[in-house]
Amino acid sequence: DQQVKQNSPSLSVQEGRISILNCDYTNSMFDYFLWYKKYPAEGPTFLISISSIKDKNEDGRFTVFLNKSAKHLSLHIVPSQPGDSAVYFCAALLRGYTGTASKLTFGTGTRLQVTL
Amino acid sequence: DTGVSQDPRHKITKRGQNVTFRCDPISEHNRLYWYRQTLGQGPEFLTYFQNEAQLEKSRLLSDRFSAERPKGSFSTLEIQRTEQGDSAMYLCASDWGSMNTEAFFGQGTRLTVV
Repeated sequence: DQQVKQNSPSLSVQEGRISILNCDYTNSMFDYFLWYKKYPAEGPTFLISISSIKDKNEDGRFTVFLNKSAKHLSLHIVPSQPGDSAVYFCAALLRGYTGTASKLTFGTGTRLQVTL
Repeated sequence: DTGVSQDPRHKITKRGQNVTFRCDPISEHNRLYWYRQTLGQGPEFLTYFQNEAQLEKSRLLSDRFSAERPKGSFSTLEIQRTEQGDSAMYLCASDWGSMNTEAFFGQGTRLTVV
């Protein structure tokens, strides 16, 4: 039972354009969401997060949008750069149940390729 | 601060052998997590420690798996009688127990069971 889903395994975007990565979840009790970025042969690196009480969080070129009614979140990268090419994982937490523990439920990832 | 460190980076073992992995978390972090990632999947939670106490174990952690964090610092994950299905990337992460902090991951140990 995949509680966090990333239905696009890959995405190709031109440098300078917007990259939009999508994530859907099924468990309405999730109350905190994170995006991680992963390069080959490295562990995931935290990118940006959002609490379920918000609908938007922005950090530089990265913005995460949360639509609770649709159980959907998206990561926008503007402008996209070649160094953004990586696998992006969406992850969710049940903070109300686990306290502050980072017992993350991950999606399957989306491979982003930013072309010149 | 050198981040979360895992050793070895790669391990090839024959089916039926025992293997042990080590994780050194970021020094001031009191919580440590183990995840497993198989091909085409995201990382899956296995277990976590707060200081030396193992607080939760996933159903994925069969009785062939055991994890320890003896002094609340580094942790080991042992797999006994390895099976081909154990082949995966084993990731360790750590964080400090407060709100709005994210877990920091190590580079992982890639296990191949032949």
